[in-house]
Amino acid sequence: AQRVTQPEKLLSVFKGAPVELKCNYSYSGSPELFWYVQYSRQRLQLLLRHISRESIKGFTADLNKGETSFHLKKPFAQEEDSAMYYCARANAGNNRKLIWGLGTSLAVNP
Amino acid sequence: GAVVSQHPSWVICKSGTSVKIECRSLDFQATTMFWYRQFPKQSLMLMATSNEGSKATYEQGVEKDKFLINHASLTLSTLTVTSAHPEDSSFYICSARGTSGEGETQYFGPGTRLLVL
Repeated sequence: AQRVTQPEKLLSVFKGAPVELKCNYSYSGSPELFWYVQYSRQRLQLLLRHISRESIKGFTADLNKGETSFHLKKPFAQEEDSAMYYCARANAGNNRKLIWGLGTSLAVNP
Repeated sequence: GAVVSQHPSWVICKSGTSVKIECRSLDFQATTMFWYRQFPKQSLMLMATSNEGSKATYEQGVEKDKFLINHASLTLSTLTVTSAHPEDSSFYICSARGTSGEGETQYFGPGTRLLVL
């Protein structure tokens, strides 16, 4: 079965520190991976997707097929980055439903 | 950008009644919508995939007679919680699959909080 693993339930860093949110996936062909973010009292929104290889709000994520990882990184965390972060991969089936990780709550302290 | 709305945003009902939640894609057509359930401080649990003009595909363990899904048009899917009980109290979120400049993605509604007394 396809799985997405986010090993850290909670990650706490100080403002200005680097942050890395881990995500590993079970190997199955060519995965399509995403990071979604949910700020307090807001809806889920797409942060970035691996195929675009872009940086959003200073975050980047590189697909490492050898390690089957898609870790989310930011060199200098800001307080407004505090949120729930979910890693997800698209199912290979026709409906392309998303397989979700359990999420990591990021707290950036002043 | 693509916007998905949900109505109502919250609802309180008595045990045994049915509750209908609407999910609309406001500025794009969505052949596929997804219904999720989210418990406090937990991840999303996919309940079912809703396809326009056909029957919904339910995830294992989700009762299709309990959670009725109708996707009557390319912009509207409804979830009806039938004979609701307190254990059905939860946060229900829909998403609609659309296409951005980068390809397909899911756009999420703001969620509906259901409290069954």
